[in-house]
Amino acid sequence: ILNVEQSPQSLHVQEGDSTNFTCSFPSSNFYALHWYRWETAKSPEALFVMTLNGDEKKKGRISATLNTKEGYSYLYIKGSQPEDSATYLCAFITGGGNKLTFGTGTQLKVEL
Amino acid sequence: GAGVSQSPSNKVTEKGKDVELRCDPISGHTALYWYRQSLGQGLEFLIYFQGNSAPDKSGLPSDRFSAERTGGSVSTLTIQRTQQEDSAVYLCASSLVQDFIQPQHFGDGTRLSIL
Repeated sequence: ILNVEQSPQSLHVQEGDSTNFTCSFPSSNFYALHWYRWETAKSPEALFVMTLNGDEKKKGRISATLNTKEGYSYLYIKGSQPEDSATYLCAFITGGGNKLTFGTGTQLKVEL
Repeated sequence: GAGVSQSPSNKVTEKGKDVELRCDPISGHTALYWYRQSLGQGLEFLIYFQGNSAPDKSGLPSDRFSAERTGGSVSTLTIQRTQQEDSAVYLCASSLVQDFIQPQHFGDGTRLSIL
């Protein structure tokens, strides 16, 4: 059984704060790591797909890093805005795997 | 449409009834996935279709669950003799190809409640 763990489970920050959260996954036989943002009453939206150790991806104020040797990925949000409030999901797949295994997410709330 | 479309958006039904959930993927996407999210759980893989290949049904939780994809496009997920533990949000996603390097594009989901 592959376990993907995300921490923290929830996070409240003030507008303008920078924040980050973690996705941990098994380090052996890594293939790909996905990040999604899921806003309430909307569909999950793809942020990044990462495949290489040391990969860094950026989309506006959001960026992610990947360490496949130690089995973690960080998602960073710079200068949080209320519209960043959402649940951030990561999902992992091994080489030869047939499905993405999702974590339970980090629920971010950005307050004015 | 531009995105993945799912219907109905909400479904309330009595225990023991059959339900059918529909997914219309993005045009040109050959891979289609079904997931569900039960309360407090992560997204759970159910089944995927890639082109005309036989679907991977390894995630279906019981033989009451089945899915089909007609003409490589629209898919329906059928749950027979529903149980209360089937209550969840059922999400459909599609991707250009099924290589897990492509991002998956999700619909808004069907919220299923079994009374």
